[in-house]
Amino acid sequence: DAKTTQPTSMDCAEGRAANLPCNHSTISGNEYVYWYRQIHSQGPQYIIHGLKNNETNEMASLIITEDRKSSTLILPHATLRDTAVYYCIVPGSARQLTFGSGTQLTVLP
Amino acid sequence: DAGVTQSPTHLIKTRGQQVTLRCSPKSGHDTVSWYQQALGQGPQFIFQYYEEEERQRGNFPDRFSGHQFPNYSSELNVNALLLGDSALYLCASSGPSGGLYEQYFGPGTRLTVT
Repeated sequence: DAKTTQPTSMDCAEGRAANLPCNHSTISGNEYVYWYRQIHSQGPQYIIHGLKNNETNEMASLIITEDRKSSTLILPHATLRDTAVYYCIVPGSARQLTFGSGTQLTVLP
Repeated sequence: DAGVTQSPTHLIKTRGQQVTLRCSPKSGHDTVSWYQQALGQGPQFIFQYYEEEERQRGNFPDRFSGHQFPNYSSELNVNALLLGDSALYLCASSGPSGGLYEQYFGPGTRLTVT
């Protein structure tokens, strides 16, 4: 599975868009990018995944660059409840999710 | 529709003892994965069960074993507990509709080894 790099922490004002970047420069052509988040003391929560096209669901949008070496998770109107650790994962053929350190997003009132 | 459930919520054991943790997957899911999450770290993959067989295993010793039942529920067993086994144990399920990597996690079992 491709290695991912994320910033350790980010802040975002409540009501503003939160843009969380992820680098995955070694990703292969058929590998998907998955995003999860973990709110304190809870299990991780699946957010979204994508291959090459931009994806959107009720939780977030995922923008993947044309060369697929990086992606950005967008929470369009962040709320205090979005404060969590966000994980970008490229599972590849590993049949497992490998969680790195993720990005601690803090939404400020 | 109940999501992934785990029991017990919290557990305190003594070093050297054995523990069994239980997981019921989300309805329609047939694959169960177990993770260990130490304080301040991301979850670490232990193993995955599908069709009652261990299909994939992470870098964990044989003291960690599991089982999957015909109804897809699963157990995680840890023998000869060490202080370092203190962690949050997470169960995740996945199924044909979402694929292997769209996993739904339970709330976890907090294990404390004293």
